[in-house]
Amino acid sequence: KQEVTQIPAALSVPEGENLVLNCSFTDSAIYNLQWFRQDPGKGLTSLLLIQSSQREQTSGRLNASLDKSSGRSTLYIAASQPGDSATYLCAVRANQAGTALIFGKGTTLSVSS
Amino acid sequence: DADVTQTPRNRITKTGKRIMLECSQTKGHDRMYWYRQDPGLGLRLIYYSFDVKDINKGEISDGYSVSRQAQAKFSLSLESAIPNQTALYFCATSDTSAPTPETQYFGPGTRLLVL
Repeated sequence: KQEVTQIPAALSVPEGENLVLNCSFTDSAIYNLQWFRQDPGKGLTSLLLIQSSQREQTSGRLNASLDKSSGRSTLYIAASQPGDSATYLCAVRANQAGTALIFGKGTTLSVSS
Repeated sequence: DADVTQTPRNRITKTGKRIMLECSQTKGHDRMYWYRQDPGLGLRLIYYSFDVKDINKGEISDGYSVSRQAQAKFSLSLESAIPNQTALYFCATSDTSAPTPETQYFGPGTRLLVL
């Protein structure tokens, strides 16, 4: 059974710092991996999706990498801002037809000004 | 207007009552999903539908049922609500024909409290 783990569970940084959020998964046979952002009391917003054949994806100050063989992904946030404060969720889709996402429990990020 | 809408946004009900949560989407996506989110447990999949005639159980389907009334509508029912079904429920969609297939788009969530 696929399990997704995110470390740390919570992170506090001052504004301007670069930071890395970690995601690991137990079964390397994934179809793709997706990073989401969730603001308190709200739904999820997709940030980046990495296909299993890709190594990384970038969007603005965000960069997500994927090392499928080791079962790891990282989300790098450059020059953090208070508006980046949210919970970040990692999710994988198994390498099978007819399956949906398996989520980690998230990392709650707080960026202070 | 939001692409994925959920109604109601908040609901309080009593143990044993039947309730329905509704999800509608204007994105034209073929796939729809229901998840629940609990503190400390993350999001878990309840049911998913890959088209109107295709319904699949997820990780935690017991106590729930779904109906895909149309491509744009996917409803989740709790036949007899119990307190441990208190959670935040999310609907999501995805489009297999998209340039980045399987990117999921989430609704704003329904907060359910079962007393």
